[in-house]
Amino acid sequence: GEDVEQSLFLSVREGDSSVINCTYTDSSSTYLYWYKQEPGAGLQLLTYIFSNMDMKQDQRLTVLLNKKDKHLSLRIADTQTGDSAIYFCAEIPIGGKLIFGQGTELSVKP
Amino acid sequence: DGGITQSPKYLFRKEGQNVTLSCEQNLNHDAMYWYRQDPGQGLRLIYYSQIVNDFQKGDIAEGYSVSREKKESFPLTVTSAQKNPTAFYLCASSSDNLNTEAFFGQGTRLTVV
Repeated sequence: GEDVEQSLFLSVREGDSSVINCTYTDSSSTYLYWYKQEPGAGLQLLTYIFSNMDMKQDQRLTVLLNKKDKHLSLRIADTQTGDSAIYFCAEIPIGGKLIFGQGTELSVKP
Repeated sequence: DGGITQSPKYLFRKEGQNVTLSCEQNLNHDAMYWYRQDPGQGLRLIYYSQIVNDFQKGDIAEGYSVSREKKESFPLTVTSAQKNPTAFYLCASSSDNLNTEAFFGQGTRLTVV
């Protein structure tokens, strides 16, 4: 069945790199997404990667995709306190139902 | 400005009452979704609709109902049959083209008092 899984918590120190991991089961998705949710707010698209790419870099963000292992990761370089939030990975397989992971709560300590 | 709007931001309901959450989008998106978010459980899909006058149950549809009479609107009714309705509710929309992102509203926090 369709499933997207993430670890629930990650704690890092300010200035370190953060790596948030995600595994998914449906390989039919054309794009895979990372969303960010700040407290009490909706989700905002952070970045996405096309399924035939291995890596995408966007300023401090690096997305790595291992399609063989169905593994997606988001690396945040030089993590800041403002990066503290919940991060969701998501996919839209053929059939159109948007599927999210459980979300990873990133805590950045000064 | 194009976007997706949920209202109200906060909602209080007495036990035994039905309540309707509003979701409107002016992005001309075909697909709309309702999610429930509880602490530590991520987003759980309640209902989704890929076209006007049609919708499908998600993973936790019991105690909820929806309608899709217009493309722009996808209201969610939380009925008295929902045993634990206190949660944060998120609405989203996406184009019928599967290669696009989903846009989210700012959420409605429902509290049963």
